[in-house]
Amino acid sequence: GAVVSQHPSRVICKSGTSVKIECRSLDFQATTMFWYRQFPKQSLMLMATSNEGSKATYEQGVEKDKFLINHASLTLSTLTVTSAHPEDSSFYICSARVSSGGAIAKNIQYFGAGTRLSVL
Amino acid sequence: SQKIEQNSEALNIQEGKTATLTCNYTNYSPAYLQWYRQDPGRGPVFLLLIRENEKEKRKERLKVTFDTTLKQSLFHITASQPADSATYLCALHATPGRRALTFGSGTRLQVQP
Repeated sequence: GAVVSQHPSRVICKSGTSVKIECRSLDFQATTMFWYRQFPKQSLMLMATSNEGSKATYEQGVEKDKFLINHASLTLSTLTVTSAHPEDSSFYICSARVSSGGAIAKNIQYFGAGTRLSVL
Repeated sequence: SQKIEQNSEALNIQEGKTATLTCNYTNYSPAYLQWYRQDPGRGPVFLLLIRENEKEKRKERLKVTFDTTLKQSLFHITASQPADSATYLCALHATPGRRALTFGSGTRLQVQP
């Protein structure tokens, strides 16, 4: 099955530092990846859609200069939280969808295990 | 406004019983509806996808129904086991061309041994 690897699983950093989170599709190519944020006992909220070779598409209210997304290859997207502050503490999850296959296959998203970010 | 509603209260059932979870949506017309399982501190895992022209879909002990008139999907787990305890999320594409999924808030299922 399609596997998405997300690293690191947990990070604790000081306020003002930047944190990079990697999302890799291990056994398939993904021209599109997604970044979500989840607060405790809440659902996943889409932050941005990452497009291979082009700029990410950010959801309303998400600061693109704070959450930098790079999707330089068909298997890797990175999210950098710049100048992190305590309010950025959250669970960040990436997902990917396969680039080839039928319409149904392309609708399914495969998720990484998530990254727990704690900003002190 | 657009909404995806799942029962926010936890569902507690006895092992061996059938669990039924509900997903209601408002002001969407999805061509597909999906169900995912999420364990604490983990990313969601895809379970089932059902198309608008399908009434029912099954996979092992799982069954999903999709009623586009009621704008509702039901998710059933038969012969439930403690290992089925998790949060179950329904998801759909908000518009036909949108690639990202919009998720409901999820229902936590607790299966008691």
